[in-house]
Formats: sequence, structure tokens, C-alpha cells
Amino acid sequence: AQSVTQPDIHITVSEGASLELRCNYSYGATPYLFWYVQSPGQGLQLLLKYFSGDTLVQGIKGFEAEFKRSQSSFNLRKPSVHWSDAAEYFCAVVPYSGAGSYQLTFGKGTKLSVIP
Amino acid sequence: GAGVSQSPRYKVTKRGQDVALRCDPISGHVSLYWYRQALGQGPEFLTYFNYEAQQDKSGLPNDRFSAERPEGSISTLTIQRTEQRDSAMYRCASSPPLAGSYPGNEQFFGPGTRLTVL
Repeated sequence: AQSVTQPDIHITVSEGASLELRCNYSYGATPYLFWYVQSPGQGLQLLLKYFSGDTLVQGIKGFEAEFKRSQSSFNLRKPSVHWSDAAEYFCAVVPYSGAGSYQLTFGKGTKLSVIP
Repeated sequence: GAGVSQSPRYKVTKRGQDVALRCDPISGHVSLYWYRQALGQGPEFLTYFNYEAQQDKSGLPNDRFSAERPEGSISTLTIQRTEQRDSAMYRCASSPPLAGSYPGNEQFFGPGTRLTVL
């Protein structure tokens, strides 16, 4: 079964600093990869996704992620963090099973705090 | 509103009571998913509907949990004889139709229902 590991439970960065959130997946083939953000009291919002092609994916709010097959990783990055980026971030995968139900398998999330 | 809505937003119930959680997906979205999110965890899949058909219920933890979507729009997740371990955030997501099977179809999430069982 597929699984997603986010090794960092909580990260604190200063506003304006760069950010990298780690995500590793376990799956027999290349899965479909996603990053979602969850702000307090809000639903999960899709930041970006990767299926194939260029391994560097651009998303909303200035985020990007890079797929590295050799490392089974899909790390999320942002060059300069804003205070409004403080939230919880989830990496997720969908295995391509062809069964029709494309449920997301999520990691446990990384909570990001931003110091002004 | 244009997004996925869920009601109630908060539900406190006593152990042994039944609860019904409602999800109103985005108009026109044919796929609907239910997830459960415990504190400090990521959401975990419960069940999936394609139109009114429940096509995958492999994530439902036991037979106290059931879901329906009788007209292919609003869905209800019902938990019978609630237990304290059922306390969690219950999230609904919907996604639009696409030609053919497309696992990368974005799922739009609602704000969730926070269930507390005393």
C-alpha cells in the first residue's frame, strides 16, 4: 500500500526566509502527487500537483515542488515566506489503479509558523 | 456560495447517540469523497461516490458508519451508536467530471464537521 511521510511535524521560519517542506512517498510506481494547505477553520486548498513531465512544478501563492524519482521525494519550496503562509501543509498521493476511486493518501502534515 | 459546504460545522454528542453529517458538493461535481481527520493526522479516506453510486467504501472503519448520496448531489455520512474514538474532523470533497478516468482531478474540500463524542 502507498504511504506518505512528512518527517517534519513543525517548522518555524522568519518572514522573508526560504522554505522547504519535505515529503517522501512509498509506492511501486510513480504516483500522482499533490500538496495541500490547510488554514485554521478552512478546508484544504490545492497548492500544486504532479503527474508527469517536467519534474519542477509551479503552484499558487509562489510555491513550487520538485519530484525526484531516485529519492521518492516531492519537496515543497518557496523562496520567500510571507506571514500569511503560516498554516498546515499536507503532501498526498493518488495511486493510479484504474479502479475509478482516486482517494488521496495524505501524510501527517507539517505545521508552518512564521516569525515576523 | 460556490464551494463545498458541510453542516453542522460542530457537533457534540453523547456516546451511543446517532449523528448525521451533511455534505453539499459544488454544483455539477459528480465525484464525492468523505475523509476523517484525527487531531495531528492527515485526512484518511472513508468512502467515495460517483454520482449516486457508492463505488468504494473500503475506508469505513466498521458497520456503524454508512453514507448515502441518493440523488447524486448532497451526501450524508451517518455514524450509529457513536463512541469516543469517533471524535474527529470529518471532511467532504468533490471533484468535477472529466472525460475518462483521471486520477489527477482536483478535489475541492469543504470546511469539515468537528465531531466530539462525550
